[in-house]
Amino acid sequence: AAGVIQSPRHLIKEKRETATLKCYPIPRHDTVYWYQQGPGQDPQFLISFYEKMQSDKGSIPDRFSAQQFSDYHSELNMSSLELGDSALYFCASSFTGTGEGNTQYFGPGTRLTVL
Amino acid sequence: AQSVTQLGSHVSVSEGALVLLRCNYSSSVPPYLFWYVQYPNQGLQLLLKYTSAATLVKGINGFEAEFKKSETSFHLTKPSAHMSDAAEYFCAVTLTGGGNKLTFGTGTQLKVEL
Repeated sequence: AAGVIQSPRHLIKEKRETATLKCYPIPRHDTVYWYQQGPGQDPQFLISFYEKMQSDKGSIPDRFSAQQFSDYHSELNMSSLELGDSALYFCASSFTGTGEGNTQYFGPGTRLTVL
Repeated sequence: AQSVTQLGSHVSVSEGALVLLRCNYSSSVPPYLFWYVQYPNQGLQLLLKYTSAATLVKGINGFEAEFKKSETSFHLTKPSAHMSDAAEYFCAVTLTGGGNKLTFGTGTQLKVEL
């Protein structure tokens, strides 16, 4: 079965640079979520999109922005990177149809390292 | 608002022994509850979920969990641990309905010893 695809898998950036993370949800899934997992931490919700519209916002810094495109893929744009942004970034997708119970399926993550 | 508490950040069991990972939830409305497993440097894999159907839920790799409303618990169990079960386990909660974010517990690192 198709899974959530994230690219790149690894990314190394310098402080103050920008980064773009991409997420391709499972086909037919209408909602995309972004989570950030710091070292030894649990995943923290950043932002979500339903049918290409922002549906919820969590602890996402103002330096970050995201969008969902017409083909349902999503991009997380991160500017003025800081050392503290080094983390594993997960994308998840779900289908809001009945019976799914908002089950979110996660991608393999993008490991961002800021030097 | 919803939250989950995982008791025990580290649990160690012998191979073949019972695995019990604890999760208690707090939610103002009936929740959906999930267990995810994370192997080192990998993503989150769904183990099982409770979405208001059967209270005893069976998942992959021989794991199961029971939703107990009276105890606000959703503990994860496996009758016999295997070395390959060593990983980090996260309990997560979301509100019923579609499109809602997951709130995770702080995770439990399971170690399986010979």
